[in-house]
Amino acid sequence: NAGVTQTPKFQVLKTGQSMTLQCAQDMNHEYMSWYRQDPGMGLRLIHYSVGAGITDQGEVPNGYNVSRSTTEDFPLRLLSAAPSQTSVYFCASSTGTSGGGNEQFFGPGTRLTVL
Amino acid sequence: GESVGLHLPTLSVQEGDNSIINCAYSNSASDYFIWYKQESGKGPQFIIDIRSNMDKRQGQRVTVLLNKTVKHLSLQIAATQPGDSAVYFCAENSGNYGQNFVFGPGTRLSVLP
Repeated sequence: NAGVTQTPKFQVLKTGQSMTLQCAQDMNHEYMSWYRQDPGMGLRLIHYSVGAGITDQGEVPNGYNVSRSTTEDFPLRLLSAAPSQTSVYFCASSTGTSGGGNEQFFGPGTRLTVL
Repeated sequence: GESVGLHLPTLSVQEGDNSIINCAYSNSASDYFIWYKQESGKGPQFIIDIRSNMDKRQGQRVTVLLNKTVKHLSLQIAATQPGDSAVYFCAENSGNYGQNFVFGPGTRLSVLP
């Protein structure tokens, strides 16, 4: 299994440009999530999905869109990039079983710089 | 000026000594906690977890302690090795975002030869 994969690894955008960060997992996990990590800080949840066709907002959703058309893929879209979105983005997946005991597996991250 | 959060708390320990990393969590309703290790340029990696009905859990060279009264978690690493150098995060699941976690700011562990 490849686990959680993310592309691209690095990206530089100009303010106002749009782009999609790709995330895929081959573990048949129902739960997928997007986090951002700013320098010297912990991860903050952007959006998440409990299954195909279902998405919900996390702690910092503004400026980002998601969709979940398949179990495997969970792309994150930046509609109009801003310098405040410069960060490292991590995708995660888990089985989503209720009641805790639910380890999240993380991808290697995408480092995004917005000029 | 400097920005809060750019300077992670750092713990420096001698190789072979035991390390204790502390974390205060925010939500008394949180019922599941994970410690993650993050090496430079990589995503977080699971180390050990604990549920709120326990106060201690042991793994290989690691122990997590949970004190719900004061909302405090600690991670103990025995016989710290150079490969343990990383940033360590505690994460809590409170149910606010389904099965997702709220992460603490992290502690950088530096192992001295």
